[in-house]
Amino acid sequence: EIQLVQSGGGLVQPGGSLRLSCAASGSPLNDHYMDWVRQAPGKGPEWVGRIRNRARAYTTEYAASVKGRFSISRDDSSNSVYLEMRSLKIEDTAVYYCASEFRDISDYYYFDNWGQGTLVTVSS
Amino acid sequence: DIQMTQSPSSLSASVGGSVTITCRASQAINNHLAWFQQKPGKAPKSLIYAVSSLQNGVPSKFSGSGSGTDFTLTISSLQPEDFATYYCQQYDTYPLNFGGGTKVEI
Repeated sequence: EIQLVQSGGGLVQPGGSLRLSCAASGSPLNDHYMDWVRQAPGKGPEWVGRIRNRARAYTTEYAASVKGRFSISRDDSSNSVYLEMRSLKIEDTAVYYCASEFRDISDYYYFDNWGQGTLVTVSS
Repeated sequence: DIQMTQSPSSLSASVGGSVTITCRASQAINNHLAWFQQKPGKAPKSLIYAVSSLQNGVPSKFSGSGSGTDFTLTISSLQPEDFATYYCQQYDTYPLNFGGGTKVEI
């Protein structure tokens, strides 16, 4: 089973940038898709974006609310995934989780393991 | 976008009892439906994928069913550790939306 440990996060001013990291252990990430999900205070989870595996050319998808501002990357050699956030807005304030995905029998990917979460606060 | 609607938003139950939570998708999601448990201050925990398949290590007291646009999560033999908020999520179409959550309280 994959264990995901996150780092990064903290307080940043509106318009600023921040990079979150997610390091995996226990199993290689190679076959997994990796996602970022956020949760604003008192709200439900919101999907942020996904990066596919090498077999799918590491392509990415993003929620409309972050497209053009956030970027997901991965380094399978170090078993890590990253979320680069730019032009941050107050409404980006949330706990951010990384999550691994695996294939179901229909070849669609579902969430299996989650990181512990890291708080990002956007405030002046 | 596919909207996921859960009901009820909260419910009260007793230790030893059972509960059923409903999740409705705004359009067909081809059984690409997952359920998660979340406790306060903790990351979500994956329970079920593909409507009814249990994640590794999840006890059989959790069960999922449904098809098309209507799905349910049933939890039997409720224990104190089962009191939490439960979310459904569709992974058929972007964006991968979650339901609004159901808080299961004592």
